[in-house]
Order: sequence, then structure tokens, then C-alpha cells
Amino acid sequence: ETGVTQSPTHLIKTRGQQVTLRCSSQSGHNTVSWYQQALGQGPQFIFQYYREEENGRGNFPPRFSGLQFPNYSSELNVNALELDDSALYLCASSLGDSSYEQYFGPGTRLTVT
Amino acid sequence: KQEVTQIPAALSVPEGENLVLNCSFTDSAIYNLQWFRQDPGKGLTSLLLIQSSQREQTSGRLNASLDKSSGRSTLYIAASQPGDSATYLCASSSVHKLSFGAGTTVTVRA
Repeated sequence: ETGVTQSPTHLIKTRGQQVTLRCSSQSGHNTVSWYQQALGQGPQFIFQYYREEENGRGNFPPRFSGLQFPNYSSELNVNALELDDSALYLCASSLGDSSYEQYFGPGTRLTVT
Repeated sequence: KQEVTQIPAALSVPEGENLVLNCSFTDSAIYNLQWFRQDPGKGLTSLLLIQSSQREQTSGRLNASLDKSSGRSTLYIAASQPGDSATYLCASSSVHKLSFGAGTTVTVRA
């Protein structure tokens, strides 16, 4: 059974640029959630996708957007990058909403300079 | 809005001692409570999940309890080892998301 994978591992971008992060969910999982974890803090919920539809969103501006594909993999897009967007971005997959156990990927470390 | 707090923020113990990590949450309307381990710069590894109808869950040296009415969960790690050094995060689940505490960073001294 393949676990959750994310790419790239690390990324350095300049303020104002755009970035796309990718996540492949665990086999059989139809739900993907994205979280942002700043240094020294717990992860913060960005949004969740269930069967290609956004299924819930946290307190993040519209420049954070996402997609889920028919194979249930997902992308997180961030436009107009700001210095505060520097963080570890985590995706989690599950068999359904957050009442199910969440399985996390290794994360993408984004640095905005 | 769910607030999750973990105390203490950091803990250092000698090898062999038992660990007690605390987690509190403000809204008792949760589906479950999940404990994770995070090594520096890495993703989250799920340790235990306690359903809202359960009181505790055990896996090897780990035992987690849940008291929904008081908004508390405790993770016990028996006979700690240096390999247990990591940050431990608890998360309560609601409809679409997990709400995390900031974590307890544990150092086990050999």
C-alpha cells in the first residue's frame, strides 16, 4: 500500500510569485486536506477536497486555491506569495471527512524570500 | 471555534521514565481525537485515534485517554527511550478539519 506522497520536498520562491504543490493520496482514499504549519506552531487547516469538490475551507485568503483530480491526487496553488507564506505545507488523505483517520504526507517546505 | 492547548510545551526526561502529555480542547462536539508524532522538519505520523465514544486506546507502550466532558486527552508513553524524542501533537476532529495544538517537544536523555 502506497502512502501519501508530496512534491516537491523543498521550494524557494520570491515574494509575488506563484507556486503549485502536489499531493498523491493513499490508495483508496477519496478525500484530501491541506494544512499550513508555521515554525513552532501546530498545522492550520486550509481546505478539504472530496471527490473533486471543495468540501470545507479554513481562514485563508482566496489566493490559496486547490484542485482534486479524478484519481484523487490534489494540488495547492498559492498566488502573490508573501513572506508569511513560508511554512511546511502538509496534505492528508482519508476515506472520508475528518471523522476518519487522517494520513499525512512528508510535507513541502516553502521558503518565500 | 475549537481551541486546542498542549501543556507542557517542552519536556526533558531520563531514559526509562514514563511520559505524560496533556491536551485540552474547548468544544466537546468532536468526532475523534488523534495523536501524532512529528520529527524535526518532517510530516506527521499517526500514533493513536480515539473515537468520541471511546475512553482510551492503546498501542504497545502508548496509551491515550479521552474525557470529552472535561475536554481533555492524555497520552502516556511507558518506559521512554531516546528514539521517543520528537514533537507530539494532538488534534480534535470536526466536520471538515482537524484542529491542532502547538505540540509538546519531548527529549529523552540517554
